[in-house]
This record gives sequence, structure tokens and C-alpha cells, in this order.
Amino acid sequence: GAGVSQSPSNKVTEKGKDVELRCDPISGHTALYWYRQSLGQGLEFLIYFQGNSAPDKSGLPSDRFSAERTGGSVSTLTIQRTQQEDSAVYLCASSSQGQASGYTFGSGTRLTVV
Amino acid sequence: QQPVQSPQAVILREGEDAVINCSSSKALYSVHWYRQKHGEAPVFLMILLKGGEQKGHEKISASFNEKKQQSSLYLTASQLSYSGTYFCGTGRNEKLTFGTGTRLTIIP
Repeated sequence: GAGVSQSPSNKVTEKGKDVELRCDPISGHTALYWYRQSLGQGLEFLIYFQGNSAPDKSGLPSDRFSAERTGGSVSTLTIQRTQQEDSAVYLCASSSQGQASGYTFGSGTRLTVV
Repeated sequence: QQPVQSPQAVILREGEDAVINCSSSKALYSVHWYRQKHGEAPVFLMILLKGGEQKGHEKISASFNEKKQQSSLYLTASQLSYSGTYFCGTGRNEKLTFGTGTRLTIIP
């Protein structure tokens, strides 16, 4: 597609429930990233996929968080047993391979855990 | 470690200039700059690679000082559309660690 697409745009869930957030990157972009942004805060790295390599999961805050990327394209971020501190905007970005490429961000999924 | 940006916030009148700094405790290999407007996703402005180059984008330019492990973003003759939060992102490979952010407000 023309841009990075994320769904849903908003998600309200009850504490303890599982949620799945979806990201559809720009076609041909080999790198895909998930970041989290809490209200008024900066961007916190979660996970990074590059081609067929093993993902860099060093930013995942707990084992309740996981992500996969199928066929080198669409990615799903799953949060199990959600907690109130998981409330944030989850941003996905993609880029072409190589250091000289900037990120294109999606519009994000605003997750609210009540 | 997260790069530190300064100032944290700045208010300018339209037409004034601003400088935003990004400092890292680690060696810099590349620096990205992004602008995020309220309620929107960050938008890529420019990237600087190791080599001390300076880049420009209309009236927005940036420099990269490897020795000081610092990058600066220069906004000249600011326009209302420049308002937003500016983030620098640093990293050795494609993965970026973003700075603390600088909120820029332009008033008429």
C-alpha cells in the first residue's frame, strides 16, 4: 500500500484480556518496527524484524508481549493478560533495508486497558 | 541509552530561528530527525550518517558532530507549520533509540 496501515485505530479492553494489534507495512520494506508511546512521552522500542532474520526482541517489557511477522510482510503484536500500564499508543514503522532509510510510521493503535 | 534532547520545550514567534540539540553517551553512527504533530504519527525529516555532514530540507537543516556525539537541528524563519514535537533517533543499524523529545510551539 501507499503507507503503513495499522488496525484497529482504537482498542479498549478489560484488564486481563488478550489483544492483537496488526501492522501492514509498505510493500517492499524489509524492516518492520514496533514502538510504544505513552501519553506525552517519547518512543519506546519494542521489537524489530529485518527480512528473514530472527527478530530483535530486546525491547519487549515482559513475556506477556510477543510479535510475529508472517511472510515478511504483515506483523501482529500480541499482549496477553493486559494490565493498565499497557495503555499507550502502539506505533508500527517500516523502512527499506540499509542505514540511509528513514522510518515511515503508521497512525498507531491507541490501547486503553480499563 | 536514550539520547538527551535540549531544550525540552521552546516557544517562538513566527519567523524566528531555533536550534534543537541531541546528545548521546554512545558513539553515533547515524542520526534521524522526526517531527510529530499532536495526535499524529512521527514524520521523517532527514537522516545524517557518520561523517559530520550537514543536510538541509527547505528551511530545516541539521549537523552531525561525531567527536561531540551530538547532532543539532536548525529551523530558520520558522513557520506555524513547524509546530510539533521533534525527536532525534540514534542507532548503529536500522534499529533506533529515540530521544526525549523537544516540543516546539510557533505563535503568530
